[in-house]
Amino acid sequence: RKEVEQDPGPFNVPEGATVAFNCTYSNSASQSFFWYRQDCRKEPKLLMSVYSSGNEDGRFTAQLNRASQYISLLIRDSKLSDSATYLCVVNIKGSNYQLIWGAGTKLIIKP
Amino acid sequence: SQTIHQWPATLVQPVGSPLSLECTVEGTSNPNLYWYRQAAGRGLQLLFYSVGIGQISSEVPQNLSASRPQDRQFILSSKKLLLSDSGFYLCAWSRGTRTGGYYNEQFFGPGTRLTVL
Repeated sequence: RKEVEQDPGPFNVPEGATVAFNCTYSNSASQSFFWYRQDCRKEPKLLMSVYSSGNEDGRFTAQLNRASQYISLLIRDSKLSDSATYLCVVNIKGSNYQLIWGAGTKLIIKP
Repeated sequence: SQTIHQWPATLVQPVGSPLSLECTVEGTSNPNLYWYRQAAGRGLQLLFYSVGIGQISSEVPQNLSASRPQDRQFILSSKKLLLSDSGFYLCAWSRGTRTGGYYNEQFFGPGTRLTVL
């Protein structure tokens, strides 16, 4: 089992739709969780850090379920500019350095 | 605000040639520094990280090496490139352990796209 698994994608959705990404992680001792977005041929950029049970930032909502070792990202009212690959990232407890990266889910928003 | 620089942006090198990629960070001190590689269509692979000058930890055995000669400078090198070294190389920083906690977000430079022929 991969340490961080994401939906393989791609997701093709119409503009304005709500999109949900799912991510599971294998290490129950993981302490912090992030969502990054990566545009084609660009560097990953931090989208959200996921705190305790979850948090919201505008159209974006991240949820964490520690019991199920599951993280989600919800994008409401999707825009064309949301098209990117979304990366789920997990920090390993006891390490301030090692982030485990999911392979990412590609999102394509269509007009 | 913090800024991270990487150069060059793209590089085409023959097999067996040496490599030197440089990364510098501005606007922070004592950062943790990281080198990642991303193969086409794949996730990020951590290559090296550093918590201080001269302190390098290697995550993956390979023909690459890293050095940190100054607090905010991180260099990735190779004496002889292999075809398999092609990829997108990313440098990142995060807050140092004295100021960081569990929420140790990493911030990336623009990357170097390396093609070994």
